Amino acid sequence: DAGVTQSPTHLIKTRGQQVTLRCSPKSGHDTVSWYQQALGQGPQFIFQYYEEEERQRGNFPDRFSGHQFPNYSSELNVNALLLGDSALYLCASSPVYSGANVLTFGAGSRLTVL
Amino acid sequence: QQQVKQSPQSLIVQKGGISIINCAYENTAFDYFPWYQQFPGKGPALLIAIRPDVSEKKEGRFTISFNKSAKQFSLHIMDSQPGDSATYFCAASIKRGSTLGRLYFGRGTQLTVWP
Repeated sequence: DAGVTQSPTHLIKTRGQQVTLRCSPKSGHDTVSWYQQALGQGPQFIFQYYEEEERQRGNFPDRFSGHQFPNYSSELNVNALLLGDSALYLCASSPVYSGANVLTFGAGSRLTVL
Repeated sequence: QQQVKQSPQSLIVQKGGISIINCAYENTAFDYFPWYQQFPGKGPALLIAIRPDVSEKKEGRFTISFNKSAKQFSLHIMDSQPGDSATYFCAASIKRGSTLGRLYFGRGTQLTVWP
């Protein structure tokens, strides 16, 4: 059973560009959350999607947007990239009515902004 | 503002020793406290978690101690092994109805276990 899969695994962009990261949740999971993990730091919550709607949002600017598709997969879009957006972006999935002990993280997409 | 404060930043322990990582929080609404383990190039993986109605939870060599009045919780790794070398994160969350809320993570502790 595949866990959470993310693509691409690594990418390099320049300032001002836009990026789209993709996430396929674990089978049976319908809720997707995105986290940003800067080097040497803990993950920071960006937002959570359920039933194709943003349900919760962390303290991130509007340059960060997302989408969830009917098959529960999700995209994270970041516009007007800044150097400070360089980080590991983690996707996590879970069934909506679940104990938190089934929250599963992917391996992440490593974004470098030059 | 860091909602969950974690210490130490790094920890070196000899094989067979006890590793102890501490976390503190301020928001008394938190009702779920997990610990995650992360290896290089991997995402965080849930190690063990506790709810505030118990003071201790043990799973194998891993134990969480929880002090509700002090708003502190800690992870103890008994008989530490070189394979335990990883970064450990504490976290906290507020359950929203029957669904999991966002996780607030500590800054992480890099554990190195020497053989």
